[in-house]
Amino acid sequence: GNSVTQMEGPVTLSEEAFLTINCTYTATGYPSLFWYVQYPGEGLQLLLKATKADDKGSNKGFEATYRKETTSFHLEKGSVQVSDSAVYFCALYTGGFKTIFGAGTRLFVKA
Amino acid sequence: EAQVTQNPRYLITVTGKKLTVTCSQNMNHEYMSWYRQDPGLGLRQIYYSMNVEVTDKGDVPEGYKVSRKEKRNFPLILESPSPNQTSLYFCASSTGLGETQYFGPGTRLLVL
Repeated sequence: GNSVTQMEGPVTLSEEAFLTINCTYTATGYPSLFWYVQYPGEGLQLLLKATKADDKGSNKGFEATYRKETTSFHLEKGSVQVSDSAVYFCALYTGGFKTIFGAGTRLFVKA
Repeated sequence: EAQVTQNPRYLITVTGKKLTVTCSQNMNHEYMSWYRQDPGLGLRQIYYSMNVEVTDKGDVPEGYKVSRKEKRNFPLILESPSPNQTSLYFCASSTGLGETQYFGPGTRLLVL
């Protein structure tokens, strides 16, 4: 069946470090892919998305490229800030009635 | 301001005491959904609704009910809560299937 696998957290980085959070998926067809972010005490909000192979989603310095050949959608940021501390969810939509979410990866950024 | 609101934000109750968590959106979205978030399990869908009077089960519907009498409201009902329903609950809405979902702030429920 369709699924999303994210790297386990927590991930702890120092400010200005490079961030990668891995996400791989299993899906039939051509899914749309999403990254959502959940800041402490808040609901999830869309960070970026990509709807077809080789698309790059970007927002707030974060980027992710839809790689169909490796079924991946890894999230990257060149220089993280303390304010990026949050839980990040990878998600996919393959049609049907629901979006499938990964388990989430918690990021801590130290000053 | 476009938003999804949930109430209450925090709730402590006892086993078997019926409760309702309200959800309302002001974006005229047709699709609404309820999720629960548990450590290590991510978000799991409880119920969803395609439009008024159209609802269906998600992955974990046991012990929950929903209704969609108005487009903006999608309450979650726990008729007889049990401790395994202790969780963080999110309501979400979107313009349609596969579109960006807008989430409420969450309701943290503790069932004793």
